[in-house]
Amino acid sequence: DAGVTQSPTHLIKTRGQQVTLRCSPKSGHDTVSWYQQALGQGPQFIFQYYEEEERQRGNFPDRFSGHQFPNYSSELNVNALLLGDSALYLCASSSWGAGNQPQHFGDGTRLSIL
Amino acid sequence: GENVEQHPSTLSVQEGDSAVIKCTYSDSASNYFPWYKQELGKRPQLIIDIRSNVGEKKDQRIAVTLNKTAKHFSLHITETQPEDSAVYFCAASRRNQFYFGTGTSLTVIP
Repeated sequence: DAGVTQSPTHLIKTRGQQVTLRCSPKSGHDTVSWYQQALGQGPQFIFQYYEEEERQRGNFPDRFSGHQFPNYSSELNVNALLLGDSALYLCASSSWGAGNQPQHFGDGTRLSIL
Repeated sequence: GENVEQHPSTLSVQEGDSAVIKCTYSDSASNYFPWYKQELGKRPQLIIDIRSNVGEKKDQRIAVTLNKTAKHFSLHITETQPEDSAVYFCAASRRNQFYFGTGTSLTVIP
């Protein structure tokens, strides 16, 4: 039973570029949430996808966008990268219909902006 | 939106002693409170959770308490071991939207 998988594990970009991060949820899960974790901080909620729609969004600018595919996998896109976007990006999956329940996290993508 | 505060930011204890980490939240509609352990370079792992209709939950050496009136919840680790050393995060959630605390770095000294 595969857990949450994310790719790539590491990425280096320069300011102004665009990046796409990918996530496959845990088997049986249909909801994907994305988080940004800066060094020494807790994860910050970016947005959540269910049934290929953005259902909830945290306090992040429109440069952060996403997508969910029919197989429940998801992408996080960040445009016009800033130095402050350097962080660990975590994907978490859950099952929408089960109400509040634990988020199962992937290992994350470490994004460095030069 | 929800605001979760976590204290202390760092905690050192002797092996065998207890450790307590405290969190407060602001949104009275939050109804689910998980705790995660994150070791260096690894993903956050759920260690225990509690729902708003329960005041206390225990799993072996780990327990969580919730005071809804005061909007605070705490993690208690007894008989600490060196492998308990990690960063611990609390979170508050309603409708599957999670807000995390800033983390507590726990060091257990052998």
